[in-house]
Amino acid sequence: DTAVSQTPKYLVTQMGNDKSIKCEQNLGHDTMYWYKQDSKKFLKIMFSYNNKELIINETVPNRFSPKSPDKAHLNLHINSLELGDSAVYFCASSLDRLNTEAFFGQGTRLTVV
Amino acid sequence: LAKTTQPISMDSYEGQEVNITCSHNNIATNDYITWCQQFPSQGPRFIIQGYKTKVTNEVASLFIPADRKSSTLSLPRVSLSDTAVYYCLVEDSGYSTLTFGKGTMLLVSP
Repeated sequence: DTAVSQTPKYLVTQMGNDKSIKCEQNLGHDTMYWYKQDSKKFLKIMFSYNNKELIINETVPNRFSPKSPDKAHLNLHINSLELGDSAVYFCASSLDRLNTEAFFGQGTRLTVV
Repeated sequence: LAKTTQPISMDSYEGQEVNITCSHNNIATNDYITWCQQFPSQGPRFIIQGYKTKVTNEVASLFIPADRKSSTLSLPRVSLSDTAVYYCLVEDSGYSTLTFGKGTMLLVSP
């Protein structure tokens, strides 16, 4: 069983489109994250949710909107996609907000053309 | 925000011990040091975490000097499958998240 799963694994779309990436964890963790890894392999946190509540929102354009229907899911919706949004997006979870041992998903490679 | 600095890349051969050192000069009192491993096209994987002195698990050892301004990840007898990017991370005080640097690309050759 995959602990943290994201779908889709690959996503190619045109500029201006709206797309969503889904993430689910079956670890019973309270805290979930979205990270963005750019072409230089630099990983940067975007959002963090704890028990469905937003606790971290880094400097991310408003076009990015996370949604957490329950604590096992944290989806990322992106509006009006731009070329610069092309990256690999990783979902992660940890036991709670005080625990930094995070489990990551396999990543979603987003390519905007 | 505690910034980390580590070598961009390292080369090694199978069976050797590899030590990767990371500097984090402005680490805060409550910050922990975490190392993660990332294989190509995969998400980062937690390896080891420590606060001070030495921590050892089945995968690696982590050495942290008294001033905690640096840390060294030690991989005993590396194999080809240890080829990966290794990230040194410092917990963001108050946020409990992992802030990634650029990582060290370790290449293990036969």
